[in-house]
Amino acid sequence: EAGVAQSPRYKIIEKRQSVAFWCNPISGHATLYWYQQILGQGPKLLIQFQNNGVVDDSQLPKDRFSAERLKGVDSTLKIQPAKLEDSAVYLCASSSDGFTDTQYFGPGTRLTVL
Amino acid sequence: AQSVSQHNHHVILSEAASLELGCNYSYGGTVNLFWYVQYPGQHLQLLLKYFSGDPLVKGIKGFEAEFIKSKFSFNLRKPSVQWSDTAEYFCAVNAPNTGGFKTIFGAGTRLFVKA
Repeated sequence: EAGVAQSPRYKIIEKRQSVAFWCNPISGHATLYWYQQILGQGPKLLIQFQNNGVVDDSQLPKDRFSAERLKGVDSTLKIQPAKLEDSAVYLCASSSDGFTDTQYFGPGTRLTVL
Repeated sequence: AQSVSQHNHHVILSEAASLELGCNYSYGGTVNLFWYVQYPGQHLQLLLKYFSGDPLVKGIKGFEAEFIKSKFSFNLRKPSVQWSDTAEYFCAVNAPNTGGFKTIFGAGTRLFVKA
């Protein structure tokens, strides 16, 4: 089966610019996650979707970050405007349920904000 | 707040040495526990998981982990490491949260195995 797809793989922008990341989960997976992984740290959950509804977005900086999962399939994460501290790898993962199932990760998008 | 602590950020071993990576979490209720691994240039992938039952779980590539509830620990072990085990290892805890379950990752341990 195809894995989790993410694009772009790399992005370099200047601070105050906007950027968007795209994720296509494994077919049939109801739960989709966006994580932020800063260098030297573990992944931090930004937002979790169950189908097209938000389950947890408590750590999403809502003044600048937004995410949507239209039709309960693929998802977009946007940052507007970007700050230097947003430099990180943004990981997308999916699972068949949001409770006990294994998460399958995509390759990530490495964002550098200058 | 829930948290996951991994004791060692960097570990260097020679081939055939034994490995134990520590993981402790702070949540008093029922949890699901995972170890994920990221090999150089590859995606994060599951190494093993514990939901219930036998607290000693076996994963891929000869890895195992033991859940000790009284110590809030889920340490990863391998009797004899190989050069190909060089990777970053993440402990993760999945616990009930408002609206569902939430997964929290530790900071990771970078393992380098010398040939």
